[in-house]
Amino acid sequence: DIVMTQSPDSLAVSLGERATINCKSSQNILYGSNNRNYLVWYQQKPGQPPKLLIYWASTRESGVPDRFSGSGSGTDFTLTISSLQAEDAAVYYCQQYYSIPATFGQGTKLEIK
Amino acid sequence: EVHLVGSGGGLVQPGGSLSLSCAASGFNFSTFWMSWVRQAPGKRLEWLANIKEDGSEVRYVDSVKGRFTISRDNAKNTLFLQMNSLRVDDTGVFYCARGRWILDFWGQGSLVTVSS
Repeated sequence: DIVMTQSPDSLAVSLGERATINCKSSQNILYGSNNRNYLVWYQQKPGQPPKLLIYWASTRESGVPDRFSGSGSGTDFTLTISSLQAEDAAVYYCQQYYSIPATFGQGTKLEIK
Repeated sequence: EVHLVGSGGGLVQPGGSLSLSCAASGFNFSTFWMSWVRQAPGKRLEWLANIKEDGSEVRYVDSVKGRFTISRDNAKNTLFLQMNSLRVDDTGVFYCARGRWILDFWGQGSLVTVSS
């Protein structure tokens, strides 16, 4: 199985500042034939199910604010929140879907400083 | 508006069985793959299984293969997860979600506790 490792496990960022969360896969998840990275980012707030933010590593889901962006390729990926808002406090997960079983990172808890 | 409403969770003894349901509304259920994902206490999300639009293809994670069965009733817009031979480490919140691998809508989750 592909192991997804996120860093850091938690971080605290001030309102209006940039937040960066990293995700590393144990194997390449870039499919050569279509040049797509099989990676998703989710946001989960307490007591709620996860919410899809970004897929194909960098495609923002409809309705997701443009302060959220995804980047990276191959084995190293980043979720960036350009200007942190209070409602962005949550746990963020990456997930690969390059191979079965789909696997998730351990989560990164983002708090407001 | 898309809604996924889970039911069937509860307390069960090790070795027991439980069936989860997920009622879908607000979209054409029969045209979407559907999935189940588990979140054990303090653990990362774990994809468990998915099922093709017409039910003709299913996939499972190894840890539940042979014990869990995913199915669907498109006439009733409902997704199911039959869980047998439950173990203590199956405890968690079980989410149904729309999609094969990119899960764009999730239900609120059903809590399953396996304990003696």
